[in-house]
Parts: sequence; C-alpha cells; structure tokens
Amino acid sequence: AAGVIQSPRHLIKEKRETATLKCYPIPRHDTVYWYQQGPGQDPQFLISFYEKMQSDKGSIPDRFSAQQFSDYHSELNMSSLELGDSALYFCASSLVGAGKETQYFGPGTRLLVL
Amino acid sequence: AQKVTQAQTEISVVEKEDVTLDCVYETRDTTYYLFWYKQPPSGELVFLIRRNSFDEQNEISGRYSWNFQKSTSSFNFTITASQVVDSAVYFCALSELAGTYKYIFGTGTRLKVLA
Repeated sequence: AAGVIQSPRHLIKEKRETATLKCYPIPRHDTVYWYQQGPGQDPQFLISFYEKMQSDKGSIPDRFSAQQFSDYHSELNMSSLELGDSALYFCASSLVGAGKETQYFGPGTRLLVL
Repeated sequence: AQKVTQAQTEISVVEKEDVTLDCVYETRDTTYYLFWYKQPPSGELVFLIRRNSFDEQNEISGRYSWNFQKSTSSFNFTITASQVVDSAVYFCALSELAGTYKYIFGTGTRLKVLA
C-alpha cells in the first residue's frame, strides 16, 4: 500500500539559510499535518491543511510557512534557520470523517542546522 | 486543556517478561481518539492502535493488548512475552473533534528489552 512520502530524508543547512521540506500524502487522503520532533522529545504539531486550506496552526515559528498544492502535496518552507530548528520533521496524512481519523506518518526529514 | 501524560520515562525488562506502558489523558471534548505509536531507533512512527471515546472495548492483537478506561482517563498498553524487537519509544496520543484532529502526544516511554 502507498505510504506518505517525504523528501529529502536528510538535510544539512547552515544558520540563516532556507530549507524546503516536501510531503506527498497517501492518495485520496484529504488532510496533511506537519510535526516537529526535537532530540529526545515528543512530536509537536506545527500546522495542518484540509482540502488545501489551512485548518489549524500550532507552535509554528513565523519564519516557517507551509502550503498544500492542487495535487495535495504539501511543502514546509523554513527561513533564517537557527540551530534550534535541528529536528526530525514529520508529515502525516489522514482521511477525516467516517471514523478514519488515524494519521499515517511519513519517514520524516531529519534537518541538521550547523 | 488537552494533555497526555506518560509518567514512565524509561522501562527495562528482560526478554519474555510482560510490560505495561501507562497513558493518562485529559480532555474536555466528548468525542476524541486515543492512539499508540511505536518509534524504533530508525525514527519512523508506526501506528499500533486507535480507540474512539465511545468504544471502551479492550483489544488484543497478538502479543499486544490495550486497556481503555474512561473512568480513570487511562489507555494502557501491555506487551506480553516481550522481545528484543519491541525495544523502541512508545507514544500515546490524543486527538479531538474540537481540535481538528491534530495529535497531542505524551512524552513517550522508552522500552528496552534485554536479551
């Protein structure tokens, strides 16, 4: 079965650079979520999209932005990177409604900011 | 406010022992879902189970079983006859209808199964 695809899997950036993370949800899933997991921490919700519209926002820095495109893939754009942005970034997708609220996670993008 | 507490930071057991991972949640919503995910050293999050707030039936899947009790706001996870491959971080998570279904994770329990 098709899973959530994230690219790149690993990314190394310098401070103050920008990064773009991509997410391709499971086909026919209508909702995408982004989470950030710092070292030794639990995943923290950043932002979500339902049918290409932002549906919720968590503790996402103003330096970050995201969108969902017409083909349902999503991108997380991160600017002015800081050392503290080093983390594992997960994208998840789900099909909301009819009891199908389970989120399926991609393998994550591991971002290291030097 | 919604919250998930996993009081056990790390548990070590010897292979073939049974182990229970605790999860306590707080929510004001009447419609909510509870989940367990496994995060092995490779880093991915693997879905294990979902329970909705209207279904308190316990579930068993192979060596895994889950005990959901609304009266104590707990959703505990038991591994029977643990194996080395069970070594991972296990997260309990809560999502609410009123919260657009985003996940609130507990801090995780690191399980080490020793051979």
